[in-house]
Amino acid sequence: GAVVSQHPSWVICKSGTSVKIECRSLDFQATTMFWYRQFPKQSLMLMATSNEGSKATYEQGVEKDKFLINHASLTLSTLTVTSAHPEDSSFYICSARVTRYSNQPQHFGDGTRLSIL
Amino acid sequence: GQQLNQSPQSMFIQEGEDVSMNCTSSSIFNTWLWYKQDPGEGPVLLIALYKAGELTSNGRLTAQFGITRKDSFLNISASIPSDVGIYFCAGQNSGGSNYKLTFGKGTLLTVNP
Repeated sequence: GAVVSQHPSWVICKSGTSVKIECRSLDFQATTMFWYRQFPKQSLMLMATSNEGSKATYEQGVEKDKFLINHASLTLSTLTVTSAHPEDSSFYICSARVTRYSNQPQHFGDGTRLSIL
Repeated sequence: GQQLNQSPQSMFIQEGEDVSMNCTSSSIFNTWLWYKQDPGEGPVLLIALYKAGELTSNGRLTAQFGITRKDSFLNISASIPSDVGIYFCAGQNSGGSNYKLTFGKGTLLTVNP
């Protein structure tokens, strides 16, 4: 149980393009989802937290107009990197947890490798 | 903000050896989690610890939640080549809607057959 699917797993696009990444909880409802960014040989850096039915909460230094997050339903969250540039190239990972008010752990998707040319 | 110190940063061991890694924090966590990440993939949950002093096993893996709530360790017994990867500790505090994870910097494990 607790499977999180992320799509696409890999994308290459030209500078200036907007890229959408999907995160789905396959066998549970996720009231809270998280988006992380990971640079090579580094730990995960939290970008934002989204709760279904409300706006995402962005971490300090993360541009909300650059990284649009929509928690569309209890099983789907999307991250759109708008007008992507080479410095946005990174490994983006989502996670989901089951309920809003318990200690249930986060379960992660397999990540999306984004390369901007 | 909260910081986790994870050590060692990397380990090179022979197949069959036991491995130990730990995390310490400057502040208290209610939950400690251990994840493993393979190259190009997302982290996979290995063990979750919810109570101070708790000792939990998952196959060859054993983890403990320190009684001070500021530390945790993970042991791997009789290592095998597929144990290779990056191991991350993570601390979590509950309260309201704040369930963010604070991650350690990871331990890169290499197992020589």
